[in-house]
Amino acid sequence: EVQLLESGGDSVQRGGSLRLSCAASGFTFSNYAMSWVRQAPGKGLEWVSGITGSGDKTYYADSVKGRFTISRDNSRNTLYLQMNSLTAEDTAVYYCAKAGGWTFDCWGQGALVTVSS
Amino acid sequence: DIQMTQSPSSLSASVGDRVTITCRASQNIRRYLNWYQQKPGKAPNLLISGASSLQSGVTSRFSGSGSGTDFTLTISSLQPEDFAVYYCQQSDIAPLTFGGGTKVEIK
Repeated sequence: EVQLLESGGDSVQRGGSLRLSCAASGFTFSNYAMSWVRQAPGKGLEWVSGITGSGDKTYYADSVKGRFTISRDNSRNTLYLQMNSLTAEDTAVYYCAKAGGWTFDCWGQGALVTVSS
Repeated sequence: DIQMTQSPSSLSASVGDRVTITCRASQNIRRYLNWYQQKPGKAPNLLISGASSLQSGVTSRFSGSGSGTDFTLTISSLQPEDFAVYYCQQSDIAPLTFGGGTKVEIK
């Protein structure tokens, strides 16, 4: 069974940093691209970032480019999102998602990030 | 960036109704269009990929159609478990983008 388990969500002050992790199991992790998708309270879904299976290519939404860094450790079956210079607009539930051709066929349960001023 | 516009943003319907949700892309995305269902407090769930391919385990009440810029999600006979928010998403070109969502409520 495919499972994705996010961790690292927390409350942080504006301007602070946080690193999210997503532990994957039940599939050959290195064969699949992965993404982070977020959802602000009461709002819709927003794609944040994606990374290819080998990790050689990364992609970002304009809203996080230069502040967030996606990475992966295929030996540990783990996806990461390093978030710096956080603002209130980054407050959201962050989901990691397994991507087949950038179609999100499996999602984690989400990690809540709250940025306070 | 490709903009995805869903309509309506919300609708009220009764059990047994046929429901149609539309999604329009700001440029040609061929058939790189996916539909997700999200229930309160839960992660989204993939229903349809490639505009019309039903995911394994998803009821055949759901169907998708379209190509290019115009797409539809149809629920043939609405059931109580179908009340949720539905999102379209283009998977053609990064940055990947979602529609604003359609909330399907009970009439």
